[in-house]
Amino acid sequence: AQTVTQSQPEMSVQEAETVTLSCTYDTSENNYYLFWYKQPPSRQMILVIRQEAYKQQNATENRFSVNFQKAAKSFSLKISDSQLGDTAMYFCAFMKQGYSTLTFGKGTMLLVSP
Amino acid sequence: DVKVTQSSRYLVKRTGEKVFLECVQDMDHENMFWYRQDPGLGLRLIYFSYDVKMKEKGDIPEGYSVSREKKERFSLILESASTNQTSMYLCASSLTDRAGNTIYFGEGSWLTVV
Repeated sequence: AQTVTQSQPEMSVQEAETVTLSCTYDTSENNYYLFWYKQPPSRQMILVIRQEAYKQQNATENRFSVNFQKAAKSFSLKISDSQLGDTAMYFCAFMKQGYSTLTFGKGTMLLVSP
Repeated sequence: DVKVTQSSRYLVKRTGEKVFLECVQDMDHENMFWYRQDPGLGLRLIYFSYDVKMKEKGDIPEGYSVSREKKERFSLILESASTNQTSMYLCASSLTDRAGNTIYFGEGSWLTVV
């Protein structure tokens, strides 16, 4: 079974600064997908970024980027130029190749302050 | 945009009641999911369905059942609600046309069992 670990229950950052959220996972699979989801206080869970394990290049979406280290089984999320609207719970998630379900970490609550 | 709609945002039910949580998606997705979200535990998969009338148990199916009579609708049923089922329930859906597809979530249903 796969497990996803987010070791930071809470983090805080000031506006315009950069913050990195950590995620590690455990799997014996070689092909899989990794995701970061964001859940703002309104509760709608939305996809931030996804990474295919077979791709060595790190995924980037505007101010969001990942540092994917396959050998270390690490998948951290970097948020640049943090904005107040980035305040949310962030979940790291794993999907096995050939499957449709996600395994989630316990989440990191990020607070962005003025 | 994908729309996953959970008809009840907030419910209060009594112990022993039968509870139905309804979810509808409008993008012709084959897969539908029910997750439960609890503080400090992240999201845990209860059941998922990959086609009409098909269902698979997730990680925590005990005390729950599901129904999928139409492709767009996936219902979660608590046959006899108990206080330990007080939680946030998230419905989600995805396509199966390629591997690693994004899963889209509804806004969630807060259930309190008293």
